Amino acid sequence: GENVEQHPSTLSVQEGDSAVIKCTYSDSASNYFPWYKQELGKGPQLIIDIRSNVGEKKDQRIAVTLNKTAKHFSLHITETQPEDSAVYFCAASIQGGKLIFGQGTELSVKP
Amino acid sequence: DAGVIQSPRHEVTEMGQEVTLRCKPISGHNSLFWYRQTMMRGLELLIYFNNNVPIDDSGMPEDRFSAKMPNASFSTLKIQPSEPRDSAVYFCASSLALGKQPQHFGDGTRLSIL
Repeated sequence: GENVEQHPSTLSVQEGDSAVIKCTYSDSASNYFPWYKQELGKGPQLIIDIRSNVGEKKDQRIAVTLNKTAKHFSLHITETQPEDSAVYFCAASIQGGKLIFGQGTELSVKP
Repeated sequence: DAGVIQSPRHEVTEMGQEVTLRCKPISGHNSLFWYRQTMMRGLELLIYFNNNVPIDDSGMPEDRFSAKMPNASFSTLKIQPSEPRDSAVYFCASSLALGKQPQHFGDGTRLSIL
């Protein structure tokens, strides 16, 4: 079945720096890749998603890239702020609509 | 717009008791998902419904777990009897449809079985 690997598990950056989180997936049929941000005591919140017919998508300080050949996708956060500190999850959607989640990255942005 | 609403937010009960978790999906969403989150196993999909019909329950850990969706605006996840290893945060999510659609999560139920 589909497997999603996410790296790194923890990431610490200085405010204003960029942060990059990478994920790989195993099922070449996966066609939808959302990213979620989870704050303490809250459910995961969708921050950006990308579909398999697109290579890159940007929304203000957040961008996601997808390399279907290599089966990996990445989240880029520029000009990080302390409020970006949270756990970030990547996911891949397989046939039937199931989402398989990565293990999560705990991002810490130090002021 | 109201998001996915889960209740209760916290539940503490003794092992052997029946536990019922409740979820109200976003109005108009046709798909509903139940997840469990633990430190050891991360986010696991337990079961999901489309148009109130269970599609895949292969993630349900044991027969002690059951889920129902009697109508488009309500779903329950029941554990009977509960065990300490069921302690986790349980999330409900909904989406417009299955496939390339974002899932919107509730804030979860933190379940502790003593």
